[in-house]
Order: sequence, then structure tokens, then C-alpha cells
Amino acid sequence: AQTVTQSQPEMSVQEAETVTLSCTYDTSESDYYLFWYKQPPSRQMILVIRQEAYKQQNATENRFSVNFQKAAKSFSLKISDSQLGDAAMYFCAYRSPNPRDDKIIFGKGTRLHILP
Amino acid sequence: NAGVMQNPRHLVRRRGQEARLRCSPMKGHSHVYWYRQLPEEGLKFMVYLQKENIIDESGMPKERFSAEFPKEGPSILRIQQVVRGDSAAYFCASSPPWDLWAPGGFFGPGTRLTVL
Repeated sequence: AQTVTQSQPEMSVQEAETVTLSCTYDTSESDYYLFWYKQPPSRQMILVIRQEAYKQQNATENRFSVNFQKAAKSFSLKISDSQLGDAAMYFCAYRSPNPRDDKIIFGKGTRLHILP
Repeated sequence: NAGVMQNPRHLVRRRGQEARLRCSPMKGHSHVYWYRQLPEEGLKFMVYLQKENIIDESGMPKERFSAEFPKEGPSILRIQQVVRGDSAAYFCASSPPWDLWAPGGFFGPGTRLTVL
């Protein structure tokens, strides 16, 4: 069974600085999808960035980028120029390409604090 | 185009009562997924439905929980004889049949269930 592990329950970063959130996963599949979600206090789940495992190029969305290391099964999120609005829970997630196994598997999350 | 709608946003029930949570997918979406988030945890998959069919219910508790997605109307997650351990946030996600990426992006705002 696939698992997703986030080893940092909480992190803090100074405003305007860069922070990296860690995520590792376990799977026997060769192709799959990975996601980072943001959950602010409103509890709305917001997709931040996604990566297809067959793509070697790391995904980037504005200030958010990932470091995808397929062999190491690592998928870290880098937030550049941190802003107060980035304060939230961040969840790493995995999804199989099998349409009959269509569920998303989430890590336990990392709570990110932004220090003014 | 409205997003995924869930209601109620907050639901309070006493032990032994029934809880009904509703999810209206985005227009054109025929796939619905339910997830549960316990306090300080990530989301856990419960069930995946298509119109009038349950595709994967591997995450559903064997007793008291049921889900449906009728031909017309919203998807319903029903919890009978609620217990305190059912207190959680319940999220719905939807996707169209042609875009298997979509479950990564379209979550509803969640229903927070509190059992007294």
C-alpha cells in the first residue's frame, strides 16, 4: 500500500525568507501523481502544485516549486519570498494512475508559521 | 461556474442521531469522492462514487456509514447512530470523467460534524 510521510509537524519561517517542507512516499508503481495542498484556517483545501512522476522537470507555480527525487521517493515543497498569507497546514499527497484506484493518499501535514 | 458545494458547513448531532452530509459536484462532474479529516490529521479517503454507482468504498467504516450519488441531486454521506469519534471534517471532491487529474483540484469547503 502506498504511504505518504511528512516528518515535520511544524515549521516557522521569517517573512520574505525561503522555506522547504519535506515529504517522502512509498510506492511500487512507476508512474503516479504527487500533490501539495494548502489548508488555511478556513479549512478549504487548495491545490498548490502537482507533479507527474514520469516528468523529470520539477513543477513550479510562481513562488512555489518542488524538488522531486524519484529514486529517493522524495517530494519537497519550496516556498520562496514567504508571505503572511502562506501560513497554513500543508499536505503532501499521492495518487495512483490506476483509474480504479482513484483515491488520494495524504500525509499528516506540516503546519507552517510565518514570522513577521 | 460554482465550485464544489457542501452543506451544511457545520452540523451538530447528539450521540445516536443521524447525520446527512450533502455534496453538489461542479457542473459536468460525474465523479465524487468523500474524505474525512480527524483533528490534527490529514484527509483519509472514504468512498468514490460515480452517478448511481459506488466504485470504491474501501475507506468506509463497515457499519453506520453509507454513501450514494443518485442520478439527480447531490451525493449524500449518511452516518447513522453517530458517536463522538465521528466528529471530524468531511470533505467532498469532484472530477469530470475525462480528466483524471481533477480530483487533485476540486475540493468542497467541508462539513464540520460535531457529536455531543
